Amino acid sequence: DGGITQSPKYLFRKEGQNVTLSCEQNLNHDAMYWYRQDPGQGLRLIYYSQIVNDFQKGDIAEGYSVSREKKESFPLTVTSAQKNPTAFYLCASSIRESTEAFFGQGTRLTVV
Amino acid sequence: GESVGLHLPTLSVQEGDNSIINCAYSNSASDYFIWYKQESGKGPQFIIDIRSNMDKRQGQRVTVLLNKTVKHLSLQIAATQPGDSAVYFCAENGAAGNKLTFGGGTRVLVKP
Repeated sequence: DGGITQSPKYLFRKEGQNVTLSCEQNLNHDAMYWYRQDPGQGLRLIYYSQIVNDFQKGDIAEGYSVSREKKESFPLTVTSAQKNPTAFYLCASSIRESTEAFFGQGTRLTVV
Repeated sequence: GESVGLHLPTLSVQEGDNSIINCAYSNSASDYFIWYKQESGKGPQFIIDIRSNMDKRQGQRVTVLLNKTVKHLSLQIAATQPGDSAVYFCAENGAAGNKLTFGGGTRVLVKP
């Protein structure tokens, strides 16, 4: 089954802790993306990567970090510097930029 | 700090009627557009796409219209069904080779 997998589906963390969200794809896509979605709102781009070992900040990168050591994996770390981390996080991939993006099912992060 | 976005506009449609969802895009250099459907708690799913050399494209029960003169994109859903209830997002690529930028989204509620 080809696709993009995010884990876990639900995640709870205490305030002040870093947390890493997993995103894996077996579609052989070069580009990968992380979006944040708040209730009743649209998608905001956090980070994106066009190729292994390279990534760029999106519109709301502050308080987040990423790595792209392997083509199929693009983990997102929500650091303690992120002031309002509770949100729905979506990972996506595409063959290259400017083509259809395939989304994972999302991770809902709640920080208490 | 982060700005608070606007809440999603809502379109209420009677089951069986046609739905029209509109999207204004910002970049006149955009040459690729996509419509996504997002059901509650899930990742967005691809519905239909269109390139700037076309002004209309049809899929199964859906039609996308592109008016480059006024930078307007619309999605028409024929004979709307309860399963069409979701949030719909348009996306543009800004220019060839650029990452997708998402619009704010429209919530569609289908009334039985």
